[in-house]
Amino acid sequence: QKEVEQDPGPLSVPEGAIVSLNCTYSNSAFQYFMWYRQYSRKGPELLMYTYSSGNKEDGRFTAQVDKSSKYISLFIRDSQPSDSATYLCAIPPDSGAGSYQLTFGKGTKLSVIP
Amino acid sequence: SQTIHQWPATLVQPVGSPLSLECTVEGTSNPNLYWYRQAAGRGLQLLFYSVGIGQISSEVPQNLSASRPQDRQFILSSKKLLLSDSGFYLCAWSPDSRSTDTQYFGPGTRLTVL
Repeated sequence: QKEVEQDPGPLSVPEGAIVSLNCTYSNSAFQYFMWYRQYSRKGPELLMYTYSSGNKEDGRFTAQVDKSSKYISLFIRDSQPSDSATYLCAIPPDSGAGSYQLTFGKGTKLSVIP
Repeated sequence: SQTIHQWPATLVQPVGSPLSLECTVEGTSNPNLYWYRQAAGRGLQLLFYSVGIGQISSEVPQNLSASRPQDRQFILSSKKLLLSDSGFYLCAWSPDSRSTDTQYFGPGTRLTVL
């Protein structure tokens, strides 16, 4: 079983819509998660960093973790064309095993149509 | 503030030719450095990481190699490129060994092997 699964989409929504992006993970020991945003032909940029207890809000973005179902979500309110990008969830390295590897989902490509 | 540079931005190389991609980080000391490859539909794959000058760890076997001749310089090389080496190569850094989770990516190099 892969450590993190993400629906690749693509997802197309009209401007102003609420967007829900989701990942599932397998290891219940993870305590925090990350969302990266990657514009076309650019490197990923860290968007949000959230611990496994509850929600974190940053402007129009909300990250949510459901530990019982091992589900992480990113919500975008009032979506804008500038939000069009690929969104990748990431789980931290297994430091106990001496790993330095972030594990990324494959990314969901989002298009916000004006 | 810290910045990360990669060059070249794009590269087209014939099969069997050598490769050298360079990454430098400014504004920090003793960063952890990483090379990732992002192939279409396959997500981000960690290739190498380094916790210090001359210290390189490989995550996957391949015909690529990495070197860290200076604290803030990371080089990805190959003696003979394969078609399967095509992809988007990303360099990343994290502040130190305690922060391997928060990784910051460079702009990437798009490599096409023909």
